[in-house]
Amino acid sequence: EAQVTQNPRYLITVTGKKLTVTCSQNMNHEYMSWYRQDPGLGLRQIYYSMNVEVTDKGDVPEGYKVSRKEKRNFPLILESPSPNQTSLYFCASSPQGYEQYFGPGTRLTVT
Amino acid sequence: AQSVTQLDSQVPVFEEAPVELRCNYSSSVSVYLFWYVQYPNQGLQLLLKYLSGSTLVKGINGFEAEFNKSQTSFHLRKPSVHISDTAEYFCAVRTYGGSQGNLIFGKGTKLSVKP
Repeated sequence: EAQVTQNPRYLITVTGKKLTVTCSQNMNHEYMSWYRQDPGLGLRQIYYSMNVEVTDKGDVPEGYKVSRKEKRNFPLILESPSPNQTSLYFCASSPQGYEQYFGPGTRLTVT
Repeated sequence: AQSVTQLDSQVPVFEEAPVELRCNYSSSVSVYLFWYVQYPNQGLQLLLKYLSGSTLVKGINGFEAEFNKSQTSFHLRKPSVHISDTAEYFCAVRTYGGSQGNLIFGKGTKLSVKP
């Protein structure tokens, strides 16, 4: 089944403890993105990647890192999480940078 | 820079009534336009897209949208809604020649269909 998977789906952590949210797609898509969704703000793009080893900042990249060492994987790294990074995170992939296919989401709480 | 405005944050409507969810965008160059739907506790899925050609675009679940370049709008419509259409709807835009990964979303419209 063609899909985008994210792990974990739910995460509660404490301020400053490094964490990684994994994202994997099995559709051989070149483009991958990370978004955060907050009430009343819609989805905001954090980072995106056009191919292996090619990434660029979205609208809200501060406090996040990404890497794209393999085509199928695009992990999101929070080196020192803070409470304002409590949010719902979505990974997405796209074959040509048009329509995007979203993962199920990761709900992160930072206390 | 481009932006997307969804004019209504919430739209309540009765079952079998028509609905229109409004979306306006701002861009100095031509754009690609999308509508996504998010059902409760789920990820987003594509409803429909406008890339080029006919300005009336049909999507899944009986939805359609019309691209109006002069009014910079891409309103979503359905002639008769069902309870199962209750969800949040997002309009999104990407510019021609812009970074192919950079998609801008509106803040969403929550559609609530009542019996």
